[in-house]
Amino acid sequence: DAKTTQPTSMDCAEGRAANLPCNHSTISGNEYVYWYRQIHSQGPQYIIHGLKNNETNEMASLIITEDRKSSTLILPHATLRDTAVYYCIVTDSGGSNYKLTFGKGTLLTVNP
Amino acid sequence: DAMVIQNPRYQVTQFGKPVTLSCSQTLNHNVMYWYQQKSSQAPKLLFHYYDKDFNNEADTPDNFQSRRPNTSFCFLDIRSPGLGDAAMYLCATSGISTDTQYFGPGTRLTVL
Repeated sequence: DAKTTQPTSMDCAEGRAANLPCNHSTISGNEYVYWYRQIHSQGPQYIIHGLKNNETNEMASLIITEDRKSSTLILPHATLRDTAVYYCIVTDSGGSNYKLTFGKGTLLTVNP
Repeated sequence: DAMVIQNPRYQVTQFGKPVTLSCSQTLNHNVMYWYQQKSSQAPKLLFHYYDKDFNNEADTPDNFQSRRPNTSFCFLDIRSPGLGDAAMYLCATSGISTDTQYFGPGTRLTVL
């Protein structure tokens, strides 16, 4: 699996957009970008994933650069409950038998 | 709601005393995973089952075993827990029709 680089921590004001960057410069053509988050003392939670195109769901938006070497997860209106560690993971999603290799992630703190 | 359930949420065992952690799922997913997460670290995959096929990670200690008697249940057995095995143990599932891994809440293991 390609490796990812994320900032160790970020702060965001409640109600503002949180933009979490991720570098994955060695990503290969068949590898997807996944984002999970882990709120303290809970199991990780899937947020979103994408291959080439930008993606949006009810939780977030994922912007992938044209060269696919980096991406940004956007939480449009961050709330206090969005405080968590956010993991950007690149993996080959060939069928359902894929593995997640978690890096250190970004601790996002949403402040009142 | 369909979900991944882990029991117990907290488990205390003594050094060297075998312990079994349980995971069940109502998602009818083919794949079940066990991760270990030590304090302030990212989750680390121990092994996974694709249906009844067991797949061990190369660096998972022999002290850790797993059983999957049916689609719904998967067990993690630690044969002789050491102090270094104190961690959160996370169960996850994924299915053929989805690329997402769904995590349970985890079992926090304390070794005395």
